[in-house]
Amino acid sequence: DTAVSQTPKYLVTQMGNDKSIKCEQNLGHDTMYWYKQDSKKFLKIMFSYNNKELIINETVPNRFSPKSPDKAHLNLHINSLELGDSAVYFCASSQDPTGTHTQYFGPGTRLLVL
Amino acid sequence: GQQLNQSPQSMFIQEGEDVSMNCTSSSIFNTWLWYKQDPGEGPVLLIALYKAGELTSNGRLTAQFGITRKDSFLNISASIPSDVGIYFCAGYYNTNAGKSTFGDGTTLTVKP
Repeated sequence: DTAVSQTPKYLVTQMGNDKSIKCEQNLGHDTMYWYKQDSKKFLKIMFSYNNKELIINETVPNRFSPKSPDKAHLNLHINSLELGDSAVYFCASSQDPTGTHTQYFGPGTRLLVL
Repeated sequence: GQQLNQSPQSMFIQEGEDVSMNCTSSSIFNTWLWYKQDPGEGPVLLIALYKAGELTSNGRLTAQFGITRKDSFLNISASIPSDVGIYFCAGYYNTNAGKSTFGDGTTLTVKP
């Protein structure tokens, strides 16, 4: 069974569209994250939720809106997509937000905005 | 904010060689983690370090938490082709509310 799953794996869309990426974890973890990995492979945190509450919100355009319906799911909705949004988006989860526990990453969603 | 400098940026080595990479920070951390990202996959934890001076091994991998708490290194001995990938260090400090700071990665290529 996949611990952290994301859908879709690939997403190709036009500029200006709105799209969502879904993430689910079956590890029973309390904390979930969204990361963006750009073309240079830099991994930057975007958001973190603990028990459905937002605890980290980095400097991310407000076109990006995370939503956590329950602690096993953290979805990412992106409005008015721009060329610069093209990247690989990783979801991750961990046991708690203290940083003493490892993060488990999903396989990534490769977003290409044309 | 806290930044991690990871070096080298990339390495091209021959199968069988040993590899060393490191991470330095301007701030102290309480936890250092080393992840590996295989091509087309998400990062996977290799080694976690929780105490200054700690030296931990995982098979052919060895990592150390620097005494100053501002650095860490990862060594891979007798590299094999499946060691290819991107290696990330990550640091945590308790007041960061769970935010991990990731290094920019070291891309390793192993020639058979």
